[in-house]
Amino acid sequence: EPEVTQTPSHQVTQMGQEVILRCVPISNHLYFYWYRQILGQKVEFLVSFYNNEISEKSEIFDDQFSVERPDGSNFTLKIRSTKLEDSAMYFCASSEIAGGELFFGEGSRLTVL
Amino acid sequence: RKEVEQDPGPFNVPEGATVAFNCTYSNSASQSFFWYRQDCRKEPKLLMSVYSSGNEDGRFTAQLNRASQYISLLIRDSKLSDSATYLCVVFMDSSYKLIFGSGTRLLVRP
Repeated sequence: EPEVTQTPSHQVTQMGQEVILRCVPISNHLYFYWYRQILGQKVEFLVSFYNNEISEKSEIFDDQFSVERPDGSNFTLKIRSTKLEDSAMYFCASSEIAGGELFFGEGSRLTVL
Repeated sequence: RKEVEQDPGPFNVPEGATVAFNCTYSNSASQSFFWYRQDCRKEPKLLMSVYSSGNEDGRFTAQLNRASQYISLLIRDSKLSDSATYLCVVFMDSSYKLIFGSGTRLLVRP
């Protein structure tokens, strides 16, 4: 069964450092998403991406964040100058159609010290 | 008003019980609705889509009331393995994003 894969599964970084979280969406999917879940809290929308550009982004997704699809398969989330409050599980998801079922990766846990 | 609102629970029920979860959404233009299940520290997984006519999948029944902007999930004959957090998800028609409710936690006890 096709699946969304994410790397790394866990990353520990020092405050102020840059991190890149990687995702390989399902190959025939056209819509890509990043969500964030702080421990014990809700799943929060960060950004959606379609046709090689951002479709929508939340208030959380400020200049500290960027997304890229560098090679047609990977979908990356870059977090610059990490802060303690960036510690969370970051989920990548993809869907075949707009508003369709989201398939999630297993998540990348980011710990900022 | 929150975009998607759920009762956080927890709902603590015995095996075999019937339990119902509710969800309200604020954007009347929303078009797609889903129930996802999330186990502790795992990714959300689709439980079922919610259709206007209501739909059933085994022990699970989902219903949508557009007039009241309300979605429900009914679980019959609860199993221990149903213990999880149930997430109501709404697709915002005006944008390419699915918004999650904060989830309702279910604990099924022996």
